Amino acid sequence: SQQGEEDPQALSIQEGENATMNCSYKTSINNLQWYRQNSGRGLVHLILIRSNEREKHSGRLRVTLDTSKKSSSLLITASRAADTASYFCATGADKLIFGTGTRLQVFP
Amino acid sequence: GAVVSQHPSWVICKSGTSVKIECRSLDFQATTMFWYRQFPKQSLMLMATSNEGSKATYEQGVEKDKFLINHASLTLSTLTVTSAHPEDSSFYICSDGQLQETQYFGPGTRLLVL
Repeated sequence: SQQGEEDPQALSIQEGENATMNCSYKTSINNLQWYRQNSGRGLVHLILIRSNEREKHSGRLRVTLDTSKKSSSLLITASRAADTASYFCATGADKLIFGTGTRLQVFP
Repeated sequence: GAVVSQHPSWVICKSGTSVKIECRSLDFQATTMFWYRQFPKQSLMLMATSNEGSKATYEQGVEKDKFLINHASLTLSTLTVTSAHPEDSSFYICSDGQLQETQYFGPGTRLLVL
């Protein structure tokens, strides 16, 4: 079964705007990861945030984690057309379970 | 990070035939690798955990006799879809990595069963 639920399911924005995706999960976690998938391709790891961390940055990416609410968010700032992809959160102890994903479309 | 390759990248086969997909960890000795399936516009669903030198662990609802997994070496895991049917058409992706840490994914194999 899916560990994470993400919203929105789809998001369309203009280049330069920020994109925010949210992920909620059900069980206790050690860490939460975000991945990106271009259409028809494999997944690329973006960022891992541990359960004792509240915020993490990587370039234009900012991830927050609220363990009390069992939720995480991924913010992409100053989006580019090349950011068009599906984004998934994933958590798990002995195996990685993926959320439902957000399909992001960035228009030039 | 680790580099994972998959072969073939796509395959078309007739119903009833078997298809083997290879997943190689090119720079990491993977005692554990994972196999996922992804239907169009859906998320990845874990099918099984491939354990080097021992039997794979299958997720609930995944038929182990239909999806044969072999992990004979630290760098190679294979998934064989036996007696494939059109409903097995999907995108199959493998990954390796440390448990509870970053997973490194292969580029995926698109299977189309006619």
